[in-house]
Amino acid sequence: DIQMTQSPSSLSASVGDRVTITCQASQDISNYLNWYQQKPGKAPKLLIYDASNLETGVPSRFSGSGSGTDFTFTISSLQPEDIATYYCQQYDNLSITFGQGTRLEIK
Amino acid sequence: QVQLQESGPGLVKPSETLSLTCAVSGYSISSGYYWGWIRQPPGKGLEWIGSIYHSGSTYYNPSLKSRVTISVDTSKNQFSLKLSSVTAADTAVYYCAREYSSSVDYFDYWGQGTLVTVSS
Repeated sequence: DIQMTQSPSSLSASVGDRVTITCQASQDISNYLNWYQQKPGKAPKLLIYDASNLETGVPSRFSGSGSGTDFTFTISSLQPEDIATYYCQQYDNLSITFGQGTRLEIK
Repeated sequence: QVQLQESGPGLVKPSETLSLTCAVSGYSISSGYYWGWIRQPPGKGLEWIGSIYHSGSTYYNPSLKSRVTISVDTSKNQFSLKLSSVTAADTAVYYCAREYSSSVDYFDYWGQGTLVTVSS
């Protein structure tokens, strides 16, 4: 099975900061990597699919990049409503795994 | 607008079978897409359980495969999860979701989730 290592596990930043989260796959997954946002008590919400494609309706301050084994998720200017836990998710050969999650807090 | 709604018992006894149903509205399951189940133990991360195509083709998380059955009822526009021989470790919020599966694979619509507690 492909393992996803997401870091950091938690992050504290100020409004307006640039925030970066990384996800590393245990083997090459091409660009089969998605990013979700989950707010407390809510279902996850898809933000980025196929490593770098912004889901319809998602603000442009969110972006993703990478391919192969190393991926990055960025919030260009952190807003108060971005407080949430973020997960990466990979798909490969009929198997789906999520990263451990990154809890984002406002400093 | 696609909507999904999980339903089923909120309390299951150890060693018994957990059964949940996901009712889909705003989209016909027969039209395509995979449909998946994902769970989240309290305070922990997300775990994919398995997925089913409208034709009935399934694929499961290898770590749960021996205990999981996912089925679809296109006449009722719903799909279901059965997880056998449950233990306290199966206590979680269970989500159903629509899964876009092509050259890329992601979950674009989710239910609100339902908490299932395994306890005697």
